Amino acid sequence: GENVEQHPSTLSVQEGDSAVIKCTYSDSASNYFPWYKQELGKRPQLIIDIRSNVGEKKDQRIAVTLNKTAKHFSLHITETQPEDSAVYFCAASMGGGYNKLIFGAGTRLAVHP
Amino acid sequence: GAGVSQSPSNKVTEKGKDVELRCDPISGHTALYWYRQRLGQGLEFLIYFQGNSAPDKSGLPSDRFSAERTGESVSTLTIQRTQQEDSAVYLCASSLPGPYEQYFGPGTRLTVT
Repeated sequence: GENVEQHPSTLSVQEGDSAVIKCTYSDSASNYFPWYKQELGKRPQLIIDIRSNVGEKKDQRIAVTLNKTAKHFSLHITETQPEDSAVYFCAASMGGGYNKLIFGAGTRLAVHP
Repeated sequence: GAGVSQSPSNKVTEKGKDVELRCDPISGHTALYWYRQRLGQGLEFLIYFQGNSAPDKSGLPSDRFSAERTGESVSTLTIQRTQQEDSAVYLCASSLPGPYEQYFGPGTRLTVT
């Protein structure tokens, strides 16, 4: 069945460094790739998303890249701050216009001052 | 506007009792999802409703779990004969038909004693 693998499961960086989280997906018909941030005790919230007709999207310190050939997409956070500490989930839509998202297992990011 | 709401926010129940969890999606969102999140774990898909189509129940872990949705509004998730392993946060999300961003509710924390 459809699958999204996410790496690493945990990531620890110093404040100001960059953080990169990578995901691969199995359904070649996937065309929507959101990233969610979940702070401790809070609900997941969308931070950035990308559709299959573009290869890169940027929003201030956050960027996402997509390689459809390799079925691979990544989240890049630059100049990390302690408030970036959270669990990050990637997801990929199922093909055929189906709304359902397949989520990765999550990456726990810790940014140390 | 109003976001996704869920009730109750917390529920403590005895093993073997039935529980009913409620989700009010964002108005106009025809897609509605239920997820389970155990402590420190990822998002486990349970069920997906899209308009008047038959729901995707492929994530329900056992026949003790069921869900209903009235038209394109409220949904209820029912767990019969609760077990301790059912203890988790149950998250509801809604979205436009798409795929598009899923907006999550605050969740219901279920504790089975």
